[in-house]
Amino acid sequence: DIQLTQSPSSLSASVGDRVTITCRASQGISTYLNWFQQKPGRAPKLLIHSASSLQGGVPSRFSGSGSGTEFTLTISSLQPDDFATYYCLQTHALHSFGQGTKVDI
Amino acid sequence: QVTLRESGPALVKPKQTLTLTCTFSGFSLNTGGMCVNWIRQPPGKALEWLARIDWDDEKYYNTSLTTRLTISKDTSKNQVVLTMTSMDPADTATYYCARDYGAFGDYWGQGILVTVSS
Repeated sequence: DIQLTQSPSSLSASVGDRVTITCRASQGISTYLNWFQQKPGRAPKLLIHSASSLQGGVPSRFSGSGSGTEFTLTISSLQPDDFATYYCLQTHALHSFGQGTKVDI
Repeated sequence: QVTLRESGPALVKPKQTLTLTCTFSGFSLNTGGMCVNWIRQPPGKALEWLARIDWDDEKYYNTSLTTRLTISKDTSKNQVVLTMTSMDPADTATYYCARDYGAFGDYWGQGILVTVSS
């Protein structure tokens, strides 16, 4: 099974900050990686698919990069609506999620 | 407009079998490339993928839960059903269904909280 490890597990940031979250896969997954945002009591929302493709309707301050085993989600300028938990998901072999990264103030 | 909605019991007893239904609209599981997944999230914990069914009736399961899970579809009713046997308090979670049509999770249901308790 493929394990995904996110870092950090949590971070504190301010509005306007540039935020980077890393997701490492236990084996190569090409670009079969998605990123989700989840707010308390809500279903996850797809932000990025195929490692770097922005899902329709998602603000351009979100971007994704990487391939193989190391991936990043970057928020270029953190907005108040971005305080949430972020998850990566691999779709290369079955599916598995990272443990999440909580972004708070 | 694509929508998905989970339904089923809010409370099950230990050792019982859980049956959840995902009823969807706005797409068809007869469409090539269409898939529906089940995912769960224990309170305060991370998401966990459970199972997937594809338009061609291929089925995939989380390897750690494969002996307990069964996924099926009824395309005439636009429904996907997940059964999980031998429920345990550790299976208490919000259960979600989500579509995959080229991008896993482009649409999700609102989730259903299932509590396992005697």
